[in-house]
Amino acid sequence: NAGVTQTPKFQVLKTGQSMTLQCAQDMNHNSMYWYRQDPGMGLRLIYYSASEGTTDKGEVPNGYNVSRLNKREFSLRLESAAPSQTSVYFCASSDPEGSGWETQYFGPGTRLLVL
Amino acid sequence: QKEVEQDPGPLSVPEGAIVSLNCTYSNSAFQYFMWYRQYSRKGPELLMYTYSSGNKEDGRFTAQVDKSSKYISLFIRDSQPSDSATYLCAMEGGSEKLVFGKGTKLTVNP
Repeated sequence: NAGVTQTPKFQVLKTGQSMTLQCAQDMNHNSMYWYRQDPGMGLRLIYYSASEGTTDKGEVPNGYNVSRLNKREFSLRLESAAPSQTSVYFCASSDPEGSGWETQYFGPGTRLLVL
Repeated sequence: QKEVEQDPGPLSVPEGAIVSLNCTYSNSAFQYFMWYRQYSRKGPELLMYTYSSGNKEDGRFTAQVDKSSKYISLFIRDSQPSDSATYLCAMEGGSEKLVFGKGTKLTVNP
C-alpha cells in the first residue's frame, strides 16, 4: 500500500499562473482533506470532502478550488497563484464511521513557491 | 483566542531527559485528542490519541487529557535523538475536522 500520494513534490510558480495539486489514496477511505502548513501557523484546513461528490470549505478556502474526482482522488487547484499561497500543502484521508473518529493519514506534502 | 494553543518552542534537551509537551484549548466540544509527530520535510503521522479525559501510555510515550482544565500533555521518557521532530497536538469535536496546534519543535541532543 502506498497510502496517500501527492504530486508534484515541489513546484515554482509565477504570480498569476495556475496549477493543480494531485492527491490519491489507496486505503478506500471516504474522507479526504487538503491542508496548508506555514511557519508559525500550524496546519490549517483548506477544503474537505466527506465522500465522493461532496466538498466543504475549511478555515482558509479563498483562492482555492477542489475536485473530488472519485473515491481515490482529491485535487486542489490554484486558479491565479499569489505569493501568499507559498506554503507546504498536505493531503490527508480518513474513514470515520458513525459517530467515531479515525486516524487521518497524511501524504508527503507538496512544497509550492510563488514568485 | 485561538481554539488550540501550543508553545512552538523550540525545545532542546539532552538524551535521556523527560520531555513534556502541552496544549490548551477553549472548545468544550472537543472529545478526541491527538498527538502527531512530524519529521523534517515529511507529513505528520499519528503518534497517540485519547478519547475524553485520562491517561494513555504507549512505550516511552504518555498522553494526558484534563478536560476540566482544557489541557493536554504528551510526556516522552528516556528521550532519544530519533525523537527529534515537531510535535503537533490536534483535537476533534464531532465534525470530523481536526484543529491543530502550531507544533513544538523538539531536538534531543546525543
